[in-house]
Amino acid sequence: GAGVSQTPSNKVTEKGKYVELRCDPISGHTALYWYRQSLGQGPEFLIYFQGTGAADDSGLPNDRFFAVRPEGSVSTLKIQRTERGDSAVYLCASSGGLAATGELFFGEGSRLTVL
Amino acid sequence: DQQVKQNSPSLSVQEGRISILNCDYTNSMFDYFLWYKKYPAEGPTFLISISSIKDKNEDGRFTVFLNKSAKHLSLHIVPSQPGDSAVYFCAARGGSNYKLTFGKGTLLTVNP
Repeated sequence: GAGVSQTPSNKVTEKGKYVELRCDPISGHTALYWYRQSLGQGPEFLIYFQGTGAADDSGLPNDRFFAVRPEGSVSTLKIQRTERGDSAVYLCASSGGLAATGELFFGEGSRLTVL
Repeated sequence: DQQVKQNSPSLSVQEGRISILNCDYTNSMFDYFLWYKKYPAEGPTFLISISSIKDKNEDGRFTVFLNKSAKHLSLHIVPSQPGDSAVYFCAARGGSNYKLTFGKGTLLTVNP
């Protein structure tokens, strides 16, 4: 596709459930990032993939969060035993690597609501 | 520890006037600074950036100024238009993974 695609756009779940959020980056982009944006805050870094490997997962808040990118393209963010505090917009971004402007291209986000 | 700070949560200006959005940072290792614009229910979209070795970058109505000694940058929009009304995020790039660190954003409202 022309841009970064994220599904679902909205997800409502109950506390304790498992959720998966999917990101399809711009074709050919090797770098993929997940961010989380809570109400009134800026996007906060979660994890960075270069190809298939997670090069930096220092932003993942705890071991309930996990992300994969098995073929170096689509990525899935997985959240186990969801808590109300996980409610946020989860943003995915991609880039071609060493972008001259530092630009990341963002998707529209997946809004997660944990009841 | 907030490395990128936008101290004004909101700004309101009249159409045709200048909008100035400010951003401060603490990490001197940042090598690029970017501004993103975000409309409700959409992802952030890139607006303009500046390398840490420059002090000004201009693109049409948008100009970003960087003052490294003060660790401060600003975005100027001239003339402001109602369609510019959005949340503006300042972001900084640093480290080998090129991740961006964002401020909390400033809501700009341009009144007709």
